[in-house]
Amino acid sequence: SQQGEEDPQALSIQEGENATMNCSYKTSINNLQWYRQNSGRGLVHLILIRSNEREKHSGRLRVTLDTSKKSSSLLITASRAADTASYFCATAGDSSYKLIFGSGTRLLVRP
Amino acid sequence: DAGITQSPRHKVTETGTPVTLRCHQTENHRYMYWYRQDPGHGLRLIHYSYGVKDTDKGEVSDGYSVSRSKTEDFLLTLESATSSQTSVYFCASTSGSAYNEQFFGPGTRLTVL
Repeated sequence: SQQGEEDPQALSIQEGENATMNCSYKTSINNLQWYRQNSGRGLVHLILIRSNEREKHSGRLRVTLDTSKKSSSLLITASRAADTASYFCATAGDSSYKLIFGSGTRLLVRP
Repeated sequence: DAGITQSPRHKVTETGTPVTLRCHQTENHRYMYWYRQDPGHGLRLIHYSYGVKDTDKGEVSDGYSVSRSKTEDFLLTLESATSSQTSVYFCASTSGSAYNEQFFGPGTRLTVL
């Protein structure tokens, strides 16, 4: 079963706009990670936020984590056509060797 | 990329034949993973390894086996391929803690006719 569920499933925006994706999960976590996947390629790690953190930034990316609501959001500011990809959240549980991935959000940034 | 490769990159095979996919990493990572990716399902964990000869099942392990005889290599075997195993398979690895970021290979597209 999926631990992380992304919302929306698909998002289409104009270049320069901000894109926000949300992730909800079900059980307690050690950390939550976001990955990007370009079409036909492997996943690339974007950012990791630990359970005791509430917000983290990396370049144009901003991630928030609300453990009370078991949810996270990924904000991409000033989007570019090159940001077109699928974005996945993944959770690392407290006692597990593994990440559990959500089904992803497909982002299309129109030039 | 963290030096993780997969072979073959594409394979077409027939139902009932055995298939082995190879994952090779040059980062001396302790943990390695095999996932399959299907439309609408995201990535689902098949098997993982937490050291040489140490492996365990993921959520969709039926019909698959793995072996890890060296740190750098993690093999995924479909003993008798079925059409439901048509998918894109990704290998990943991570160092230090299993909670760290994972580095992914480029994927293997497998078609079972």
